Amino acid sequence: EVQLQQSGPELRRPGSSVKLSCKASGYSITDYLMHWVKHRPEHGLEWIGWIDPEDGETKYAQKFQSKATLTADTSSNTAYMQLSSLTSEDTATYFCARHDGTYYYHDYWGQGVMVTVSS
Amino acid sequence: DIVMTQGALPNPVPSGESASITCQSSKSLLYSDGKTYLNWYLQRPGQSPQLLIYWMSTRASGVSDRFSGSGSGTDFTLKISRVEAEDVGVYYCQQFLEFPLTFGSGTKLEIK
Repeated sequence: EVQLQQSGPELRRPGSSVKLSCKASGYSITDYLMHWVKHRPEHGLEWIGWIDPEDGETKYAQKFQSKATLTADTSSNTAYMQLSSLTSEDTATYFCARHDGTYYYHDYWGQGVMVTVSS
Repeated sequence: DIVMTQGALPNPVPSGESASITCQSSKSLLYSDGKTYLNWYLQRPGQSPQLLIYWMSTRASGVSDRFSGSGSGTDFTLKISRVEAEDVGVYYCQQFLEFPLTFGSGTKLEIK
């Protein structure tokens, strides 16, 4: 059974950084691209970017270019997203979601991780 | 970037009635391969989004046939027949034609 298990909720101070994890099971992460999506109830869903775990290639939405860094560890079948220089605007739930390069949709999503940025 | 604009529903929708959600894209999502790269997701309260429809009208595996997608290159509709309590949540359209991927702002469905 395919599962994407994300790490637990995070509380951070403004200006700090956080690294979120997304552990895949039931398939090899090198077989799919991994995307990250931001959700704030008043803003809906925002696409952050994707990583190809097979070769580390990444692509980001322009507004997240200097905010997010996507990496992957194939030995642990885990994808990561680091968010830097946190502000209150980064308070949100973050999802990882996989994408088959043949079918253009996200068929499996992680459960989401809540990041709260507060002093 | 492609802008996705979603319409609202006249909530609450009576149980058993049908509901139609509209989505419009700022650019045609019809590609040269004949496919339209428009997806629909449902995000139930407290859950992650769930794929309902891809390629504008293809139902995802395990999705009820009460859900159907239709449209043209820029105007799309998700129809939910005989709405049920489990259909409550926020519906999002997404374009997968080009990066950055973009979503509509979401349409909330409430049931009476």
